[in-house]
Amino acid sequence: AQKVTQAQTEISVVEKEDVTLDCVYETRDTTYYLFWYKQPPSGELVFLIRRNSFDEQNEISGRYSWNFQKSTSSFNFTITASQVVDSAVYFCALSFTGANSKLTFGKGITLSVRP
Amino acid sequence: SQTIHQWPATLVQPVGSPLSLECTVEGTSNPNLYWYRQAAGRGLQLLFYSVGIGQISSEVPQNLSASRPQDRQFILSSKKLLLSDSGFYLCAWSAAPVIMGYTFGSGTRLTVV
Repeated sequence: AQKVTQAQTEISVVEKEDVTLDCVYETRDTTYYLFWYKQPPSGELVFLIRRNSFDEQNEISGRYSWNFQKSTSSFNFTITASQVVDSAVYFCALSFTGANSKLTFGKGITLSVRP
Repeated sequence: SQTIHQWPATLVQPVGSPLSLECTVEGTSNPNLYWYRQAAGRGLQLLFYSVGIGQISSEVPQNLSASRPQDRQFILSSKKLLLSDSGFYLCAWSAAPVIMGYTFGSGTRLTVV
């Protein structure tokens, strides 16, 4: 069975602070894919990143960075110098390559960035 | 490029009234289609998914049903809405297998009064 745990439910930071959103996953598959989505107040989920299980390189995209560690089954997301526009719900998700694969989502983390 | 359309954006319906939410996808063939519900301040609950025309899998028993009359059309329905059906409904599509993730529609905010 697949499982994604986002233990943090709500995080509040002041603008320009760095913040890390944690994601821990469980799977028995050796090939799997990890994702992060952002849900701003408008509601639509926006894709942020996809990472496959064979690529443990960390990734940086502007103020966003992702730390994938298979040894701890974690795929954490860090926002550097947070901005008010980063306020959203962030979901981590997991899929595998089977015929009936679906995304397994975590429960989401509500991030509030205060000016 | 692929796009997904979902409507209406907001809906206020009385208890006991019917519901029909529609979702269509453009630019791809034989997509997997999904309906999710999100209660206020909560996570995503998968309601239905479909891997082909007429093929619907229900994840949670409830007052809702889904249909897929055409390859790129997915409809969420109810004959009689309950107050507990209020929430934010999201449609999504993916290729199969799901290695590229989902693309979501813009959502429908349903309030049952």
